[in-house]
Amino acid sequence: GENVEQHPSTLSVQEGDSAVIKCTYSDSASNYFPWYKQELGKGPQLIIDIRSNVGEKKDQRIAVTLNKTAKHFSLHITETQPEDSAVYFCAAWAYGMRFGAGTRLTVKP
Amino acid sequence: DTGVSQDPRHKITKRGQNVTFRCDPISEHNRLYWYRQTLGQGPEFLTYFQNEAQLEKSRLLSDRFSAERPKGSFSTLEIQRTEQGDSAMYLCASSLDDGETQYFGPGTRLLVL
Repeated sequence: GENVEQHPSTLSVQEGDSAVIKCTYSDSASNYFPWYKQELGKGPQLIIDIRSNVGEKKDQRIAVTLNKTAKHFSLHITETQPEDSAVYFCAAWAYGMRFGAGTRLTVKP
Repeated sequence: DTGVSQDPRHKITKRGQNVTFRCDPISEHNRLYWYRQTLGQGPEFLTYFQNEAQLEKSRLLSDRFSAERPKGSFSTLEIQRTEQGDSAMYLCASSLDDGETQYFGPGTRLLVL
């Protein structure tokens, strides 16, 4: 089955800096890759997604890149703000959703 | 606009008791998913429904777990004879028929003493 690995597990940046979170997947049949943000005590919130026929997608300060050949995808957050502090999960869809273990992002003011 | 809702938000129970959680999906969504999330981990798939039909169950879903979606709208997840290892956040998500873009509810946090 699908296996999704996510790095780093924790990430601390200064406000205004960029943050990058990377994920790899194992199943070449995976064709949909969402990213979720989870704040304390809340359910995961979809923030951006990308499909396998697209290499890059951007939405304001967040962007996702996908390299199907290497089976990896990344989340980029620019101009980070304290409210970006949360746990971020990547996921891959192939006959079901498999999540990474999460990255705890801390943005220091 | 109402998203996915779950009830209760928190549940504390004693080992051996039965508990039941409810999920109300986004109204036009045909698919409904249950996940379990333990501390420091991503959500793990438990089961999903297409309308009222339960189409897949994970090996994580032991015989003590049962889920229903009788009218293809809300769903319930029951855990019988709870064990301390059942302590986790139970998340519900819903989607359209493609199953890809899933929207999560706030979760039910279960603590088994």
